[in-house]
Amino acid sequence: GQSLEQPSEVTAVEGAIVQINCTYQTSGFYGLSWYQQHDGGAPTFLSYNALDGLEETGRFSSFLSRSDSYGYLLLQELQMKDSASYFCAVSPRDDKIIFGKGTRLHILP
Amino acid sequence: DAGVTQSPTHLIKTRGQQVTLRCSPKSGHDTVSWYQQALGQGPQFIFQYYEEEERQRGNFPDRFSGHQFPNYSSELNVNALLLGDSALYLCASRGFESSYEQYFGPGTRLTVT
Repeated sequence: GQSLEQPSEVTAVEGAIVQINCTYQTSGFYGLSWYQQHDGGAPTFLSYNALDGLEETGRFSSFLSRSDSYGYLLLQELQMKDSASYFCAVSPRDDKIIFGKGTRLHILP
Repeated sequence: DAGVTQSPTHLIKTRGQQVTLRCSPKSGHDTVSWYQQALGQGPQFIFQYYEEEERQRGNFPDRFSGHQFPNYSSELNVNALLLGDSALYLCASRGFESSYEQYFGPGTRLTVT
């Protein structure tokens, strides 16, 4: 079957760095995406990795290791507004995008 | 440039009834996907529409059906509503140039009593 595993909750301090891990199992694989969702809001696209390595977009970076079926989202210089849920999502070859259950990020002042 | 819009924002229905949710994709996007998001869970893929046809379908019963119109807008229909259908229904659109970057609408919160 197809599944994604990510921690349910992570807590970090404002100004610090936090890493949210995601492991996946899927039949066929195109890439790994990350989305942010604030309470009551819509998911918003953060990043996409199709190849192994690190992709950087401002304070956010995302990493993928296809051989390990593993990826992570790295958030630097945490701000209170980064408190949200973060979802990893795999794009299998059949285009039925599968989302993880999400990681709730709590940021302490 | 308007993003993805959905209507209505909230909806309360009774078990056994039928509901229709609507979505207008972001300008320039031609592919629309629908997701169901239960509280505290990630979005679950229902189906995807492209060129007015259902291209892919997730593990949802036939009570869930959809339609895409020539202007790329889309509808999600759910028949014989169950209490378990209560959720946030999200519509997402994408364009040909980016097969992975989806733009989500604000969702329709459906409550079945």
